[in-house]
Amino acid sequence: AAGVIQSPRHLIKEKRETATLKCYPIPRHDTVYWYQQGPGQDPQFLISFYEKMQSDKGSIPDRFSAQQFSDYHSELNMSSLELGDSALYFCASSLDRTEAFFGQGTRLTVV
Amino acid sequence: DAKTTQPTSMDCAEGRAANLPCNHSTISGNEYVYWYRQIHSQGPQYIIHGLKNNETNEMASLIITEDRKSSTLILPHATLRDTAVYYCIVRVAPINNFNKFYFGSGTKLNVKP
Repeated sequence: AAGVIQSPRHLIKEKRETATLKCYPIPRHDTVYWYQQGPGQDPQFLISFYEKMQSDKGSIPDRFSAQQFSDYHSELNMSSLELGDSALYFCASSLDRTEAFFGQGTRLTVV
Repeated sequence: DAKTTQPTSMDCAEGRAANLPCNHSTISGNEYVYWYRQIHSQGPQYIIHGLKNNETNEMASLIITEDRKSSTLILPHATLRDTAVYYCIVRVAPINNFNKFYFGSGTKLNVKP
C-alpha cells in the first residue's frame, strides 16, 4: 500500500540558510501533520492542514512556515536555520482526521 | 487533550505477551485512546485506537477500563522486532479542527531473547 513519502531523507544545511521539506500524503488523505523530533526527544507537533487550509498550530517557530498545495502535498519551509533546528522532521497524513500514518522522516542537520 | 502517564520502560521475554499500561484519569467522554510505536528513529507507526470498547486487530489488543481512566495495550506474542517506544495518546474525536496528536514520553519496551 502507498505510504507517506517525504523528501529529502537527509539534508545538511549551514546556519542561517533556508531548507524546504516536502511531504506527499497517502492518496485521498485530506489531512497533513508536521512533527519535529530532536535527539532523544519525543515528537513535537508543529502544524497541520485539513483540505489545504491550516487547521491547527503547535510549537512552530515564526521562522518556519508551511502550506498544503492543491495536489495535497505539503511543504515545510524553514528559514534562518539554527543549530537547534537539527532534528528529525516527520510528516503524517490521515483521512477525515482519523488515525494518522507517518512517513519515514527527513533528518535535518544544521552545521 | 487529556494527559497520559506511562512507565518509562518495560522488559518482556520473546514469545510472551507484552502488556503496556497507560493512565489517562482526566479523559473526557469524547476522547479516544490511540497507541503508536516508534522503532528507533523511524516514523511513528499506528497500532490501534478505541473509545470505550475493547479493540483487537492484527497487531494488538486494546483493553480500556470501564471508567476509561486507564488502558492496556497487549502484544500477544512479542518478538524482538517489537522493541520500540510505545506512545499512548488521548485525543478528542476528529471534529472541527482538532487535528493534532500530542506525544507524551512513552514506554520503551525491550523484548529480550
